[in-house]
Amino acid sequence: KAGVTQTPRYLIKTRGQQVTLSCSPISGHRSVSWYQQTPGQGLQFLFEYFSETQRNKGNFPGRFSGRQFSNSRSEMNVSTLELGDSALYLCASRKLGTSYEQYFGPGTRLTVT
Amino acid sequence: DQQVKQNSPSLSVQEGRISILNCDYTNSMFDYFLWYKKYPAEGPTFLISISSIKDKNEDGRFTVFLNKSAKHLSLHIVPSQPGDSAVYFCATQTNSGYALNFGKGTSLLVTP
Repeated sequence: KAGVTQTPRYLIKTRGQQVTLSCSPISGHRSVSWYQQTPGQGLQFLFEYFSETQRNKGNFPGRFSGRQFSNSRSEMNVSTLELGDSALYLCASRKLGTSYEQYFGPGTRLTVT
Repeated sequence: DQQVKQNSPSLSVQEGRISILNCDYTNSMFDYFLWYKKYPAEGPTFLISISSIKDKNEDGRFTVFLNKSAKHLSLHIVPSQPGDSAVYFCATQTNSGYALNFGKGTSLLVTP
């Protein structure tokens, strides 16, 4: 069974630009969550989607947004990039129901210059 | 405010011995506790979990213990192997939302 895939794996952007990251969950998993990992703050929850609706949101500014498609694939967008947005962005999928475990993709390393 | 704390940034253990990784949390509303292992440049890999109604869960070499009164969680790895060298994160969840709250991680080094 294929795992969670994320594209692209690496990205370099300039301050002020915007970026879109993509995530394909494990087949059969309908929930997708996004996390940001930085050396200072560690792993922090951004948001969760299932049934194409945002169900939960972390403490991040409105520049961070996402969406989910009918095939459960998800994208997250960061607008007006700041230097502090440089991070590893991780996507995790979960099978709805009684399962609590989330399975992570390899991440997208975003560098903002 | 850090709700999940892993107070040991690093741990070094000899191959074959027991590794004990600790985690403390502040919110008594957490219902589910998970451990993840992470190698550099990869996403976290799910290891083992435990719900708040249990105090122990085993899976092969990995055992997680939960002490709710102390709000303390630990992961035991027996016997430790060099391939276990990685950063270990504990994470918590409530059953009203599935956001994972992560600790800052403990870097485990298992030496031959």
